[in-house]
Formats: sequence, C-alpha cells, structure tokens
Amino acid sequence: GNSVTQMEGPVTLSEEAFLTINCTYTATGYPSLFWYVQYPGEGLQLLLKATKADDKGSNKGFEATYRKETTSFHLEKGSVQVSDSAVYFCALSRGGSGNTGKLIFGQGTTLQVKP
Amino acid sequence: SAVISQKPSRDICQRGTSLTIQCQVDSQVTMMFWYRQQPGQSLTLIATANQGSEATYESGFVIDKFPISRPNLTFSTLTVSNMSPEDSSIYLCSDDYTDTQYFGPGTRLTVL
Repeated sequence: GNSVTQMEGPVTLSEEAFLTINCTYTATGYPSLFWYVQYPGEGLQLLLKATKADDKGSNKGFEATYRKETTSFHLEKGSVQVSDSAVYFCALSRGGSGNTGKLIFGQGTTLQVKP
Repeated sequence: SAVISQKPSRDICQRGTSLTIQCQVDSQVTMMFWYRQQPGQSLTLIATANQGSEATYESGFVIDKFPISRPNLTFSTLTVSNMSPEDSSIYLCSDDYTDTQYFGPGTRLTVL
C-alpha cells in the first residue's frame, strides 16, 4: 500500500544552520507530494507541494524536489530561524480528476531551533 | 486557498457524552475530510464527507461513533459519540481546493 516515512526527530539545530528532513514514500503511479507544518498549538499549514517528478516546491525559504528515482521528497532550508520550530509532516495523495483524495501522512518530525 | 474555520476550538467533555464539531469553508468545495490527530501522533483520515450522501469511512472508523453531516458545499459537522478518554485528540477538517488540501485550525478535545 501507500506509505510515507520521515526521519525520526526531534531535530535540534542552532539558528542559521542548514536543515534537511528526509522523506521517502511508497506508492504506485505518480502521487502528489506535500509538506505541511504545524506550529505549537495550531492546525496544519501547507508549506509546499509538487505534483510530478522533478518538480521543486518552494515557500518561505524551504524547498523540496520530487525525486521519482529515489522515491524521495526531502525538505531543505539553507538557514533556519527560531520561528521555524514546529512539527513538519510529509504527505502524499493519490487523488485524480482534480482532487487530492486521501492524504497519507508520515509520522512527523519535530524541529527545534535554538538561538 | 479556501479558508476553513472550526468550532469549538477546544472542549473538555465527560465520558459518555457527545460533541459536535462544525467546519465552515468560505468557498464551495467538492470534497471535505475529517482527520484525527492523537497526542504526539500523525494524522489519520476518519472519513470523507460527501455532499448529499453518506460519508465514506476509513477502516477502523464507523458511522455510529463518528456521524458526519454535509448539508451543502461549504459546511460539515463531525460528532464524536459516547466519548471515552481514548477519544482525546485534535480533530481537523480539510477541504480539497485546486488539487491541494487545506486544513482548519483543529478542535482540541479532552475527555475526562
């Protein structure tokens, strides 16, 4: 079946450090891939997405590239800030006909950035 | 994106009671979803709320426990019935808008 695996957290970094959060997936065909972020006490916010192989999603300095050959969608940021401290979720969907359908989430990775 | 609001934002309930959570979207959307996030866990889909027909439930979730209504294209409710402490979770609704799901702020439920 379809599944998403994220690197285990928590990830603790100093401010301005480089961030990578690994995400790999298992799915047949060509899923759409997403990163969501959940700040403390809040709901989920879409961070970025990619809908086909080699697409790069980017937002707020975060980037992720859809790599079909390695079934990966790793999240990166060149210089993290304290305000980036949150839980990050990788997700895939297998919808069609103009909708995403069911989202399958990874287990989430907690990022803590220290001043 | 379609902006989503949920009510209540949080509640503390006694076991054996029921709570209805409302989800309002500011645009008409075809699909709406309900997810559960247990403490410290990821999100799990409860059901897809279909306008004009019964909701479609995922394995492990049943209508008697989580009845869902979808009277129109902008509104849905989820009821958590006969609650137990194991139902303490964050419940989130989402919509499907231009091939992307957007989430509401969630309802934080504590069952004593």
